[in-house]
Amino acid sequence: DQQVKQNSPSLSVQEGRISILNCDYTNSMFDYFLWYKKYPAEGPTFLISISSIKDKNEDGRFTVFLNKSAKHLSLHIVPSQPGDSAVYFCAASALFAGNTPLVFGKGTRLSVIA
Amino acid sequence: DTGVSQDPRHKITKRGQNVTFRCDPISEHNRLYWYRQTLGQGPEFLTYFQNEAQLEKSRLLSDRFSAERPKGSFSTLEIQRTEQGDSAMYLCASSPRGQGTSYNSPLHFGNGTRLTVT
Repeated sequence: DQQVKQNSPSLSVQEGRISILNCDYTNSMFDYFLWYKKYPAEGPTFLISISSIKDKNEDGRFTVFLNKSAKHLSLHIVPSQPGDSAVYFCAASALFAGNTPLVFGKGTRLSVIA
Repeated sequence: DTGVSQDPRHKITKRGQNVTFRCDPISEHNRLYWYRQTLGQGPEFLTYFQNEAQLEKSRLLSDRFSAERPKGSFSTLEIQRTEQGDSAMYLCASSPRGQGTSYNSPLHFGNGTRLTVT
């Protein structure tokens, strides 16, 4: 039973355009969400997070949107750059329900084409 | 800040052998996590420590797996009688969660130990 779902295994985007990566979750107790980026042969690197009291968090080219009623979040990268090519993982936790360990989706491989 | 360090980076072993991995977290982090990642999957939680106390274990952690963090610093993950299904990337992560720190501190991952059981 997957609690965090990333339904697109891969995404290709032209350099300079917007990349939109999507994530759905099923556990209504989740209140803290993160995106991680992973390059080959490296561990995941934290990118951006959002708590359930917000619906948007922005950090430079990266913006995360949270729609609690739809149990959906998305990561927008604009403008996309070739160095953004990586696997992106969505993760979630229930902090106020006991600080549960992060649950990860299966990831989306983003390819930014120059 | 040297980051989270894991050793070895790669391990090839024969089925039935025991293996041990080491993780050195970021020095001021009191929480340490072990995750496992197989091909096409995201990281799956195995266990975590706050200081030397092991606070939670996943159902994925069979009795062939044991983790320790004896002095609240580095941690080891041992797999006894390895099986081919144990082949995976084993990731360690740490965070500064605890009193006086932000509740929403993200995990910092190491580069993992890739285990291949033949």
